[in-house]
Amino acid sequence: NAGVTQTPKFRILKIGQSMTLQCTQDMNHNYMYWYRQDPGMGLKLIYYSVGAGITDKGEVPNGYNVSRSTTEDFPLRLELAAPSQTSVYFCASGGWDRGRRAYEQYFGPGTRLTVT
Amino acid sequence: AQTVTQSQPEMSVQEAETVTLSCTYDTSESNYYLFWYKQPPSRQMILVIRQEAYKQQNATENRFSVNFQKAAKSFSLKISDSQLGDTAMYFCAHGDSGAGSYQLTFGKGTKLSVIP
Repeated sequence: NAGVTQTPKFRILKIGQSMTLQCTQDMNHNYMYWYRQDPGMGLKLIYYSVGAGITDKGEVPNGYNVSRSTTEDFPLRLELAAPSQTSVYFCASGGWDRGRRAYEQYFGPGTRLTVT
Repeated sequence: AQTVTQSQPEMSVQEAETVTLSCTYDTSESNYYLFWYKQPPSRQMILVIRQEAYKQQNATENRFSVNFQKAAKSFSLKISDSQLGDTAMYFCAHGDSGAGSYQLTFGKGTKLSVIP
């Protein structure tokens, strides 16, 4: 299993440009999430999905959009990039471990985005 | 809203010694999960250990164990026999299962340095 994969690893955007961060998981998890991590801070939730076709806002959704057409994929769209969106973005997927003993959430390697 | 507080921005420990990282949280839910994640310089978020709120027994994973005090809303991480590879940022996170999304709320992290 590859787990959670994200592309690209790094990206520099100019103010006003748009881009899509890709996220794919192969663990058949229903739950998927997008977080951002600003320097010296913990992660903050942008958007999440509890299943294909269902998405909802997290703590910091402004300036972003998501879609969930399949269980595996959960892309994050940035429209009209702003310097405040300079951050590291993490995608995560969550589900129940073998035997449904407990819930676990696993993260992708992150995307470092700079908006200048 | 849930909050997670890590009161120790930085800590250091001698190799082979034991160190405890503190975490407190605030929630109105009775059923939830708690996690410790490790973030080395590679930025990857690695799940270290998890605890279900309904379980009284403290979780243990090899050299890592927790002290879960539900009434005090405290969830500390103990690392025994510290190794150089334990040097990383450690994040405490609370996951709310009541809303059905299992989204995580993170603390700001503790930077742990293991000294040879």
